[in-house]
Amino acid sequence: SQQGEEDPQALSIQEGENATMNCSYKTSINNLQWYRQNSGRGLVHLILIRSNEREKHSGRLRVTLDTSKKSSSLLITASRAADTASYFCATDAGTYKYIFGTGTRLKVLA
Amino acid sequence: EPEVTQTPSHQVTQMGQEVILRCVPISNHLYFYWYRQILGQKVEFLVSFYNNEISEKSEIFDDQFSVERPDGSNFTLKIRSTKLEDSAMYFCATMGRGSGNTIYFGEGSWLTVV
Repeated sequence: SQQGEEDPQALSIQEGENATMNCSYKTSINNLQWYRQNSGRGLVHLILIRSNEREKHSGRLRVTLDTSKKSSSLLITASRAADTASYFCATDAGTYKYIFGTGTRLKVLA
Repeated sequence: EPEVTQTPSHQVTQMGQEVILRCVPISNHLYFYWYRQILGQKVEFLVSFYNNEISEKSEIFDDQFSVERPDGSNFTLKIRSTKLEDSAMYFCATMGRGSGNTIYFGEGSWLTVV
């Protein structure tokens, strides 16, 4: 299956620290997207990285992609309490669907 | 920023009843999706829809589910005869050619089957 797996499943850090989440997938992709979900809410798109890109930045977010290892990482720098949420990666394989990983629950303590 | 709008935000229904969840896609988007998320679990793909037909569907999307664009704007998910295990948050998502493959999600419709 294409499904991504994030690790860790849960992460608890202090405000101001960096948070790193990883995503692994199984088959070739065209792009990978990261989403944030606050409890009981919808999925908010954070960043998309294409298979020919290795790193991408957006504000305090840094995403890397290693297609040889079939893995991606999301780094949130200088975390804030408002970053507390679940983070998911989603991968496509050129088909008309994106498959989500199991998610990382991030808790940022003030 | 353009939004995907879903209604209702929450619906409680009796087991065996039909439910229709509605989605207003972002204008000019051409690819439509339904996902579901059972409480505390992962986001699961149900179906994708393009050019007025289903492009791909998952094993979850069995004969009790159907999708359509009845008026060329709204995109609906119908569950014909609901079961207790259909209780979940249902997300509509859309993608447009100009959005660089970014999929935009609505806030979800929370379905509770009792």
